[in-house]
Amino acid sequence: DTAVSQTPKYLVTQMGNDKSIKCEQNLGHDTMYWYKQDSKKFLKIMFSYNNKELIINETVPNRFSPKSPDKAHLNLHINSLELGDSAVYFCASSQVGSYGYTFGSGTRLTVV
Amino acid sequence: DAKTTQPTSMDCAEGRAANLPCNHSTISGNEYVYWYRQIHSQGPQYIIHGLKNNETNEMASLIITEDRKSSTLILPHATLRDTAVYYCIASSNNAGNMLTFGGGTRLMVKP
Repeated sequence: DTAVSQTPKYLVTQMGNDKSIKCEQNLGHDTMYWYKQDSKKFLKIMFSYNNKELIINETVPNRFSPKSPDKAHLNLHINSLELGDSAVYFCASSQVGSYGYTFGSGTRLTVV
Repeated sequence: DAKTTQPTSMDCAEGRAANLPCNHSTISGNEYVYWYRQIHSQGPQYIIHGLKNNETNEMASLIITEDRKSSTLILPHATLRDTAVYYCIASSNNAGNMLTFGGGTRLMVKP
């Protein structure tokens, strides 16, 4: 079983559309994250979320919103997609007080 | 997270030890040193972490200087599959803390 799984793996969409990327973890971790990796390959934290707290990187546009239906899922919703949103998005999870994040395999988003 | 400094790139011959340095001179007492790697087109993978003592696992060894201002990740017998970007991160594991990735070191293992 994949520990952190993301769907879809590839997503091509037009500017202005609204899209979602799903993430699920089966590790029993209590914290989940979204990272963005742009064309220059820098990994930037977007959100950290557990059942108590959402921490948002202040540079993330409010068109991006995380939605967590339960502890094992953290989905990423993006409204009014822009060309600059094209990137690879990685979901990750961890357990507070333990060590190491587990990352998913990424979703490559292309906005045309 | 404390700032870390790593060389942009390094080469290593297959079968030899790869020694990847990291400087974290402003690391605070409760921050661990974490190492991750990202193989092309994959998600980052946790390798090892340490606080003060040297650590070893099935993937690598981590040597931390006594003053904790720098560390070295050692891959004892590098293979072609170890070609990746290696990230050194200094971070606490407190609730709400998020790992911040820098530019990393691009390690190229050559035949």
